[in-house]
Amino acid sequence: EIVLTQSPATLSLSPGERATLSCRASQSVSSYLAWYQQKPGQPPRLLIYDASNRATGTPARFSGSWSGTDFTVTISSLEPEDFAVYYCQQRSNWPITFGQGTRLEIK
Amino acid sequence: QVQLQQWGAGLLKPSETLSLTCAVSGESFSDYYWNWIRLPPGKGLEWIAEINHSGSTNYNPSLESRGTVSIDTSKNQFSLKLSSVTAADTAVYYCARRGTNRFFDYWGQGTLVTVSS
Repeated sequence: EIVLTQSPATLSLSPGERATLSCRASQSVSSYLAWYQQKPGQPPRLLIYDASNRATGTPARFSGSWSGTDFTVTISSLEPEDFAVYYCQQRSNWPITFGQGTRLEIK
Repeated sequence: QVQLQQWGAGLLKPSETLSLTCAVSGESFSDYYWNWIRLPPGKGLEWIAEINHSGSTNYNPSLESRGTVSIDTSKNQFSLKLSSVTAADTAVYYCARRGTNRFFDYWGQGTLVTVSS
């Protein structure tokens, strides 16, 4: 099973700041990684797929990148609605696995 | 617009069987895999299983063969049964579609399932 390790566990920033969230895979997943945003009481929402493609409706301030087994999602300038929990997920190998999440909170 | 509406019992006793159903509307039921994913309290998301319109399935081995997914194409519904539940199965359960990009692009609203004696 591929383990996805997200860091940091919690990130405290202010609106307008730049956020960088990381996800490291225990082995190669090629580019078959996605990022989701989840707010309290809501299901997750797909933000980025195949490491760097924005899903329909994802604002341009969100961008994804990767190098080897290290993946990053960057939010260029935080809006109030961006404070949530973010999960990465791989579909390269069975079973499908998720990271444990990064909580992005308002500082 | 694709919509997933899910329902099922929210309170179970240990050893009982969890049963959830998800109805899909607004999109063809074919061409996709339909999934179950859960979020235990204080933990991350866990993929459970998936099924397609022809009944082909994939399961997370962590279920230790307790899970069964089924599909009713005549009703555009799919279901999850998880036997011999314990407190560790307490979670919010989601149904979700794995879309053309092979990631989860549409989700149900979630059902909190609590296992307690």
